[in-house]
Amino acid sequence: AQKVTQAQTEISVVEKEDVTLDCVYETRDTTYYLFWYKQPPSGELVFLIRRNSFDEQNEISGRYSWNFQKSTSSFNFTITASQVVDSAVYFCALSDATTSGTYKYIFGTGTRLKVLA
Amino acid sequence: NAGVTQTPKFRVLKTGQSMTLLCAQDMNHEYMYWYRQDPGMGLRLIHYSVGEGTTAKGEVPDGYNVSRLKKQNFLLGLESAAPSQTSVYFCASSYIQTQETQYFGPGTRLLVL
Repeated sequence: AQKVTQAQTEISVVEKEDVTLDCVYETRDTTYYLFWYKQPPSGELVFLIRRNSFDEQNEISGRYSWNFQKSTSSFNFTITASQVVDSAVYFCALSDATTSGTYKYIFGTGTRLKVLA
Repeated sequence: NAGVTQTPKFRVLKTGQSMTLLCAQDMNHEYMYWYRQDPGMGLRLIHYSVGEGTTAKGEVPDGYNVSRLKKQNFLLGLESAAPSQTSVYFCASSYIQTQETQYFGPGTRLLVL
């Protein structure tokens, strides 16, 4: 069965520290997609990145970087030089095809990141 | 282009009352979804629709009904609200061609007393 595990419930760091949020997934499919979303205190879900299962290249976007490793079924997210504005709940999600051919999201339980000034 | 919008933003109900949450999207998306978010549980799929006039059950469908009479709208109904339905509800939509990527609305906070 599909599953997404975010073992870190809450992380606190001091501003300017680097922090890595872990995401481990399970799926039987060979074609699937992985996502990270940010949920700030205002409550909306902000899309951060999408990765398909055939692209294992790591990606960097400003202070954000993602490490996708199929061998360990992990899709970890690192924030470099964290800032107070990074404080939010971060969700990892898996999207893969169901038996009917539609795609469904499976979300992890989220990691609450607190960046202290 | 407003994307995905949800109405209302916040609502308080008494046990047993009914209500309908409205989701609207202006991106001509075929697929639409309703999720609920509870503390410590992430988002869980309630119902979804792969096109106008079609709906299907998700992970936690009990106590909810949905309708997709128009392509741009997806309604979530609670016929008899229960305190266990206190949650934040998110709607999402996606293109049929890239259905693996969903676009989320701002959420509706529902409190059932």
